[in-house]
Amino acid sequence: AQSVTQLGSHVSVSEGALVLLRCNYSSSVPPYLFWYVQYPNQGLQLLLKYTTGATLVKGINGFEAEFKKSETSFHLTKPSAHMSDAAEYFCAAKSGGSNYKLTFGKGTLLTVNP
Amino acid sequence: DTAVSQTPKYLVTQMGNDKSIKCEQNLGHDTMYWYKQDSKKFLKIMFSYNNKELIINETVPNRFSPKSPDKAHLNLHINSLELGDSAVYFCASSQDRAPSNEQFFGPGTRLTVL
Repeated sequence: AQSVTQLGSHVSVSEGALVLLRCNYSSSVPPYLFWYVQYPNQGLQLLLKYTTGATLVKGINGFEAEFKKSETSFHLTKPSAHMSDAAEYFCAAKSGGSNYKLTFGKGTLLTVNP
Repeated sequence: DTAVSQTPKYLVTQMGNDKSIKCEQNLGHDTMYWYKQDSKKFLKIMFSYNNKELIINETVPNRFSPKSPDKAHLNLHINSLELGDSAVYFCASSQDRAPSNEQFFGPGTRLTVL
């Protein structure tokens, strides 16, 4: 079964610093990969996704992620953190074929210090 | 112009009661989902419907019963509520069952069982 691991349940950065949130998946077949953001008391919003093609994916709000098959990773980065980036971030994976289930990581809470 | 809406946003009830949560999407999507987010923010799929047909039914107690009257609606009925049912329940939808399609989430329903 597919599993998604997010290293670090809590990441704290200073405003203007690099944001790096880590995500690894378990599937031997490269899955479809997603990053979602959840602001307090809100639903999840898609940041970006990888399906096929270019391994560097750009998303909203200046975030990007790189799919690395050899490392089974899909880490999320942003060059310069903004206070408004403080939120919970979820990595998720979905295998192709008949498995339609989206499997989520446990989430990483990002705090941004002034 | 809300894409995925849920009612109610908050639900406080006593153990043993029966309650329903409604979900509607106006995106013209064929597939809808219910997720449970526990107190540690972990998200897990419960059910999924495609064109009113149940396609995912995870290991969920029989007290939970989804109903899809049409493609735009997916309701969740819960019988004999227990303390452990307290969580945030999210409805989501996607264009169809293709695994590359992202899911759009509703704002969530926070259920508190006393």
